[in-house]
Amino acid sequence: DAGVTQSPTHLIKTRGQQVTLRCSPKSGHDTVSWYQQALGQGPQFIFQYYEEEERQRGNFPDRFSGHQFPNYSSELNVNALLLGDSALYLCASSVRGKGGNQPQHFGDGTRLSIL
Amino acid sequence: RKEVEQDPGPFNVPEGATVAFNCTYSNSASQSFFWYRQDCRKEPKLLMSVYSSGNEDGRFTAQLNRASQYISLLIRDSKLSDSATYLCVVLSGGYQKVTFGTGTKLQVIP
Repeated sequence: DAGVTQSPTHLIKTRGQQVTLRCSPKSGHDTVSWYQQALGQGPQFIFQYYEEEERQRGNFPDRFSGHQFPNYSSELNVNALLLGDSALYLCASSVRGKGGNQPQHFGDGTRLSIL
Repeated sequence: RKEVEQDPGPFNVPEGATVAFNCTYSNSASQSFFWYRQDCRKEPKLLMSVYSSGNEDGRFTAQLNRASQYISLLIRDSKLSDSATYLCVVLSGGYQKVTFGTGTKLQVIP
């Protein structure tokens, strides 16, 4: 039973570039959430996708966008990269509904460095 | 005020000690609560859910106080392997808006 998988594991970009990060949810999960975690901080919620639509969004600019595909996998896109975008990007999946909010399961993350 | 607040620590405790972490949340409509553990440079991993009646899993006990809007995690008989950052997580709303605390770092010392 595969857990949440993310790719790539590491990425180096320069300011102004664009990046796409990918996530496959745990088998049986239909909801994908993305987080940004800076060093020494807790994960910050970026947005959540369910049924191929963005359902919730945190306090992140429009440079951060996403997509969910029919197979529940998801992408996070960041345009016009800034130095401050350097962080660990975590994807988490869960099952919506079923009598309550379900805990999220995290992938290993993509470590993005902006030079 | 932050939505979810934790004492960042670090908490340095000897092996075998009992240690407790608290986490406060500001949204009284919050519905679900969890504790996650995160090792250095690794992803967060679910430690346990927090139920209104309180719940225990081995050496770990979690409690929720809705009136005072805080959750707690108690670790008994601390092991070296318990050294990690403990993150409190609060879920709100039908689409599970997720808010993490900044984490509390625990270091268990031999």
